[in-house]
Amino acid sequence: EPEVTQTPSHQVTQMGQEVILRCVPISNHLYFYWYRQILGQKVEFLVSFYNNEISEKSEIFDDQFSVERPDGSNFTLKIRSTKLEDSAMYFCASSELDWFAGELFFGEGSRLTVL
Amino acid sequence: SQQGEEDPQALSIQEGENATMNCSYKTSINNLQWYRQNSGRGLVHLILIRSNEREKHSGRLRVTLDTSKKSSSLLITASRAADTASYFCATDVGGTSGSRLTFGEGTQLTVNP
Repeated sequence: EPEVTQTPSHQVTQMGQEVILRCVPISNHLYFYWYRQILGQKVEFLVSFYNNEISEKSEIFDDQFSVERPDGSNFTLKIRSTKLEDSAMYFCASSELDWFAGELFFGEGSRLTVL
Repeated sequence: SQQGEEDPQALSIQEGENATMNCSYKTSINNLQWYRQNSGRGLVHLILIRSNEREKHSGRLRVTLDTSKKSSSLLITASRAADTASYFCATDVGGTSGSRLTFGEGTQLTVNP
């Protein structure tokens, strides 16, 4: 069964360092997303991406964050200068259809620990 | 105020019993979805119910939606130990394209063998 894959599964970094989290969405999906979950808290929307551009972003997704689809398969989230509060599990998701169809397929997540 | 609040926060039952989890939300929605998350794992989509639907079934899952009360319930029948997980409702408040889901805090379900 097709699945969304994320790498790395766990990354430890120093505050101020740049981090890139990678995702390979399901191949025929057109809509891509990043969500995050701080330990013990609820899952929060970061950004959605369609047709090679950001379609929506949350207040969390400030100038330190960026997303890119550098080729036909990868979808990346970059944090330019990590802060302690960026420590969280980051989930990539994709969907075949637009928001009305709604079903998102999530990866297993990348745990980011900022020291 | 929070969109998508589940109750109870935690539920512990015996195998074979039914588990009911509730979700309330505050703004109008296009659809409501339920997801499951095993500890430390990703989210798995369970079921989606649209705002014009009242009830939906999928295997041992039954979801209801009452838009007048802005609430939904997820019923898992004949629970199994493998159903132990956190369950989240997520509402889609829509957008021009792409889906912005707002998740609740979740219900931690423990099914004891």
